[in-house]
Amino acid sequence: QVALRESGPALVKSTETLTLTCTFSGFSLTTTGMCVTWIRQAPGKALEWLARIDWDDVKSYRTSLKTRLTISKDTSKNQVALTLANLGPADSATYYCARMPVVDSYALDYWGQGILVTVSS
Amino acid sequence: SDELTQPPSVSVSPGQTARISCSGDGLPKQYASWYQHNPGQAPILVIFKDTERPSGIPERFSGSTSGTTATLTISGVQAEDEADYYCLSTDSSATSFFGGGTKLTVL
Repeated sequence: QVALRESGPALVKSTETLTLTCTFSGFSLTTTGMCVTWIRQAPGKALEWLARIDWDDVKSYRTSLKTRLTISKDTSKNQVALTLANLGPADSATYYCARMPVVDSYALDYWGQGILVTVSS
Repeated sequence: SDELTQPPSVSVSPGQTARISCSGDGLPKQYASWYQHNPGQAPILVIFKDTERPSGIPERFSGSTSGTTATLTISGVQAEDEADYYCLSTDSSATSFFGGGTKLTVL
């Protein structure tokens, strides 16, 4: 059974760096075509795609946040981490991780429940 | 282009058909997927690869595409379908982008 769960701090300060971890089960990031994606939703705003890491370690980032984002994986722990540097109040949001099998559905077929992160000034 | 445009809101009465559009220049070359999102919950995939429905999603949900527009159709809308709906597409550089979301109201 596929499951994903986000973890990390609920409250961080402006200018600091946020590190979130997605721990998953029921699939492997060593499987060809498997990817994990991070998405966020600020209060009252739309879903916003942030980054993706592929089975072969290829990484993709949202253009407007590329200089601040880093995505990485630890396949031995079934984890994907996302760091977002130089935080500001606009980064307060619920952050989700989701699985994206690009050789099958090519869609975000399983999601974590999300983690609410508040950036304080 | 990396923009997907959706109408902010759609309203229908129970039993009617709701159609939510998603427009983008890249859509003729890229798959669209659709997500149902209720506040405080994880989004749910309802359509992938433009027209495919995941197992467990009711048959009243369907997807179509024509040119630069993808459409999510919900036939025989039920009160439980009231939610925000988002389209998603991915370009050739593996960068994905969501539409702005559509709030479906069941009157």
